[in-house]
Amino acid sequence: GENVEQHPSTLSVQEGDSAVIKCTYSDSASNYFPWYKQELGKRPQLIIDIRSNVGEKKDQRIAVTLNKTAKHFSLHITETQPEDSAVYFCAAILNQAGTALIFGKGTTLSVSS
Amino acid sequence: DGGITQSPKYLFRKEGQNVTLSCEQNLNHDAMYWYRQDPGQGLRLIYYSQIVNDFQKGDIAEGYSVSREKKESFPLTVTSAQKNPTAFYLCASSTGPPNEQFFGPGTRLTVL
Repeated sequence: GENVEQHPSTLSVQEGDSAVIKCTYSDSASNYFPWYKQELGKRPQLIIDIRSNVGEKKDQRIAVTLNKTAKHFSLHITETQPEDSAVYFCAAILNQAGTALIFGKGTTLSVSS
Repeated sequence: DGGITQSPKYLFRKEGQNVTLSCEQNLNHDAMYWYRQDPGQGLRLIYYSQIVNDFQKGDIAEGYSVSREKKESFPLTVTSAQKNPTAFYLCASSTGPPNEQFFGPGTRLTVL
């Protein structure tokens, strides 16, 4: 079945450094790729998403890139801050009907000052 | 908070009992979803519903049941057939894929 692989599972960086999280997906028909951030004890919240008709999208310090040929997409966080510490999840549409999302297993990002 | 609520926040169940988790939204969203979250496992899809009176199984539907009698409500029943029900359960809604899903605050279920 369809699945989403996410790497790394944990990532530790120094404040001000960049962080990159990568995901691959199996369903070539997927056309929507969101990223969610979940702080400890809180609900996941959307931070950025990208659709298959674009290759890159930026929002301040956050960017997402998509390579449909290789079926992978990445989250880039620049100038990291301690408040960026959280678990990040990537996701992709579950099937060709576009009915649900399947999530990666998450990356725990720790930013130390 | 996006207008999606879950209750209760914490739930304790004895083995062999069925329990129902509530999920309500006032966002006028057509689609609703249930996920289970375990440490290191991400969010795994249990059931989803695109429209009232219709729902589909996700990856881990065994031992769970749902209903969608109203647009605003999508309750999840954890039955005694679910062998390892202790987990954090998240409900979400959206206007329909592929669009942003809004999550509720979650219910933490513990089997005693």
